[in-house]
Amino acid sequence: DAKTTQPTSMDCAEGRAANLPCNHSTISGNEYVYWYRQIHSQGPQYIIHGLKNNETNEMASLIITEDRKSSTLILPHATLRDTAVYYCIARSYGQNFVFGPGTRLSVLP
Amino acid sequence: GAVVSQHPSWVICKSGTSVKIECRSLDFQATTMFWYRQFPKQSLMLMATSNEGSKATYEQGVEKDKFLINHASLTLSTLTVTSAHPEDSSFYICSARSGTSGGADTQYFGPGTRLTVL
Repeated sequence: DAKTTQPTSMDCAEGRAANLPCNHSTISGNEYVYWYRQIHSQGPQYIIHGLKNNETNEMASLIITEDRKSSTLILPHATLRDTAVYYCIARSYGQNFVFGPGTRLSVLP
Repeated sequence: GAVVSQHPSWVICKSGTSVKIECRSLDFQATTMFWYRQFPKQSLMLMATSNEGSKATYEQGVEKDKFLINHASLTLSTLTVTSAHPEDSSFYICSARSGTSGGADTQYFGPGTRLTVL
């Protein structure tokens, strides 16, 4: 699996968009980019995934650069409940998910 | 979305006893389920992969005789921590792999089980 790097922590004001970056410069052509988040003392929650096109669902948007070496998860209107650790994972079909340290997002009132 | 449940959500036991944790996929069938362990302030670490009807595959350093995994059906996997000791105290999380959608498969995670061994 391609290694991903994320900032250790980020702050975001409540109601503003939270933009979480992820670098995956060694990603291979068949690896998808997945985002999960983990709220304190809970299991990880699936957010979104994509291959090369931008994706949007009811939770977030995923923007993948054209060269696929980086991506950004966008939470359009962050709320206090979005405070969590966000994990960016690059993996191909059938491969295990490997969790790094993630980004600790704090949404501030 | 796909839902995975775990039971119990927390358990406290005495050292030397065994503890069983159940993981169920509620609205989909999962041929493959996974068990993770998470220590405080650390990320999830994969312990083992279980396929329905076959023996589990354990990650390096995980004792298969201590962490017994059974995946008897497409919706149920169990993890039994045998002869638990305080160092086994941790947050145990299961996940289940969904079917393919758009060329990708996704794992959905349970809420976790907090094990405390006294």
